[in-house]
Amino acid sequence: GAVVSQHPSRVICKSGTSVKIECRSLDFQATTMFWYRQFPKQSLMLMATSNEGSKATYEQGVEKDKFLINHASLTLSTLTVTSAHPEDSSFYICSAREHPGATEAFFGQGTRLTVV
Amino acid sequence: RKEVEQDPGPFNVPEGATVAFNCTYSNSASQSFFWYRQDCRKEPKLLMSVYSSGNEDGRFTAQLNRASQYISLLIRDSKLSDSATYLCVVEDTGFQKLVFGTGTRLLVSP
Repeated sequence: GAVVSQHPSRVICKSGTSVKIECRSLDFQATTMFWYRQFPKQSLMLMATSNEGSKATYEQGVEKDKFLINHASLTLSTLTVTSAHPEDSSFYICSAREHPGATEAFFGQGTRLTVV
Repeated sequence: RKEVEQDPGPFNVPEGATVAFNCTYSNSASQSFFWYRQDCRKEPKLLMSVYSSGNEDGRFTAQLNRASQYISLLIRDSKLSDSATYLCVVEDTGFQKLVFGTGTRLLVSP
């Protein structure tokens, strides 16, 4: 099956710093990628839809200036958590499909962010 | 009301047991439905799609009842390796956005 690679898998950062998370589609081109966040014992919540070559679409309640998304190529989307705070500590995960009509969404391995 | 609701469990069952999970969704316009499996601290992986006609894949059977907005997953002859969290997922029509339930945790014991 298709592979989506996410990096880093774990990161610990100090409060106030920024963290960049990368999501790559390794064997297909993804015009659209999705970024989710999962807090402990909660469901994955969609944060934003990343569109290649255009602005990301953010879900209600997600601050676009805090969670910067860049989708500069058909195989790479990045999520930058700016001025991170302890409440941003979570499991961030991206997903993509081989093409818009594909049934299966493939997920990256996820990034566990801890802000201290 | 949550868009997708599941019993969080955990469901503790012995090997060989049959276990059923249920899920309800609120958006009647939803078109696509899935069960994903998520192991602890890992990414979700597609287990199976769910169709109105029902579908079966080995020990796993999924059913969809559109009238009741209800989805089910049946696991027969449970294995230790089935221990995981099972996520009920509904696709937001036309936008490819997936809406996840909180998941139902299954623990299969020897």
